[in-house]
Amino acid sequence: DAKTTQPPSMDCAEGRAANLPCNHSTISGNEYVYWYRQIHSQGPQYIIHGLKNNETNEMASLIITEDRKSSTLILPHATLRDTAVYYCIVRAPRYNQGGKLIFGQGTELSVKP
Amino acid sequence: EAQVTQNPRYLITVTGKKLTVTCSQNMNHEYMSWYRQDPGLGLRQIYYSMNVEVTDKGDVPEGYKVSRKEKRNFPLILESPSPNQTSLYFCASSLSAETGGGGYTFGSGTRLTVV
Repeated sequence: DAKTTQPPSMDCAEGRAANLPCNHSTISGNEYVYWYRQIHSQGPQYIIHGLKNNETNEMASLIITEDRKSSTLILPHATLRDTAVYYCIVRAPRYNQGGKLIFGQGTELSVKP
Repeated sequence: EAQVTQNPRYLITVTGKKLTVTCSQNMNHEYMSWYRQDPGLGLRQIYYSMNVEVTDKGDVPEGYKVSRKEKRNFPLILESPSPNQTSLYFCASSLSAETGGGGYTFGSGTRLTVV
């Protein structure tokens, strides 16, 4: 079972920041938070991951709360091409469960003009 | 370009006719895995491989076989396909199954229909 909870859908205006929340209240101290997205039945695309510090790359920022029970993925200037299903995934740091990614239902983000 | 290549992209076949979906990566990744995606069930892992000649079952391995004779290739074999294997299939690869590094790279998918 997925260890995360995400809203099923969100809208965002083009050019504005998209803030996608994720609850992972049962996360363990050595588990990482990963974000992937899937654009219309294409292969999932890795976005970012973190353990406890905030992280930023060319695609997005990841904000993890101090108690690590929730996180937010931020797309700073959403474009129409960011319309996708976004998955928040919690993983342990070793060869756990065959390296399996447990995909929940994700958040369907619609970026509107 | 670093990528995972799956073939074919689309396949319609008949029940019982053996087929192979190929997966190849050009990133020298040790870890490779197969997933299937079905409406309402999300993505589920079929098989995975930690390295050459090392494979193991995921959550839904029934009806599938895999092999890893060389690092770059990880074919998915359906010896006797059935209609319940109609699905969207994804191959993924990574340097290793360890976290802390980058994420997995997924292929573009193979949409299989078994009639």
